[in-house]
Amino acid sequence: AQSVTQPDIHITVSEGASLELRCNYSYGATPYLFWYVQSPGQGLQLLLKYFSGDTLVQGIKGFEAEFKRSQSSFNLRKPSVHWSDAAEYFCAVARNQAGTALIFGKGTTLSVSS
Amino acid sequence: GAGVSQSPRYKVAKRGQDVALRCDPISGHVSLFWYQQALGQGPEFLTYFQNEAQLDKSGLPSDRFFAERPEGSVSTLKIQRTQQEDSAVYLCASSLRGAGGRETQYFGPGTRLLVL
Repeated sequence: AQSVTQPDIHITVSEGASLELRCNYSYGATPYLFWYVQSPGQGLQLLLKYFSGDTLVQGIKGFEAEFKRSQSSFNLRKPSVHWSDAAEYFCAVARNQAGTALIFGKGTTLSVSS
Repeated sequence: GAGVSQSPRYKVAKRGQDVALRCDPISGHVSLFWYQQALGQGPEFLTYFQNEAQLDKSGLPSDRFFAERPEGSVSTLKIQRTQQEDSAVYLCASSLRGAGGRETQYFGPGTRLLVL
């Protein structure tokens, strides 16, 4: 069965430092992968998505992610974190090619220290 | 509105009460999804509509949960005889076209349900 693992429950990063949030997936075929961000009291906002092609995808707010099939990973990165990036981040995989449901990881909470 | 809206934003119910949660998707969006997000967890899929047809309800946890989208736009998630384990945030999402893994799902702010 498809699954998503986000190994880090909580990460603290200094403002201006780089960030990498880990995501590992389990899926038999080529996965459709997503990163969402959730701020308190807000809905989930899509940061970026990967379907095929270039394994390095660019998203909004300066985020990028790299798909590595050999490692079953889709890690999210940002070169310089801003205080406004503090939020919860969710990695997700479409359940199947028809995509009727997304399977989410448990999320990583990002804190930004000054 | 520009995005997905949900009402009420907060709901407190006594155990055993019935509740109804509303979702207004983005205008023109064909697909509508409901997810349940327990505290400290990621969202979990409940059910999916394409227009008015409920094509997948495999995630509904029990027969106390019922969803409808009678005219292919607004959807209601109903929970009968609420129990404490139903306490969660219920998220609604919509996407422009029919099912397809490449479709972006746009999420509403959620309804936080607390069952006492």
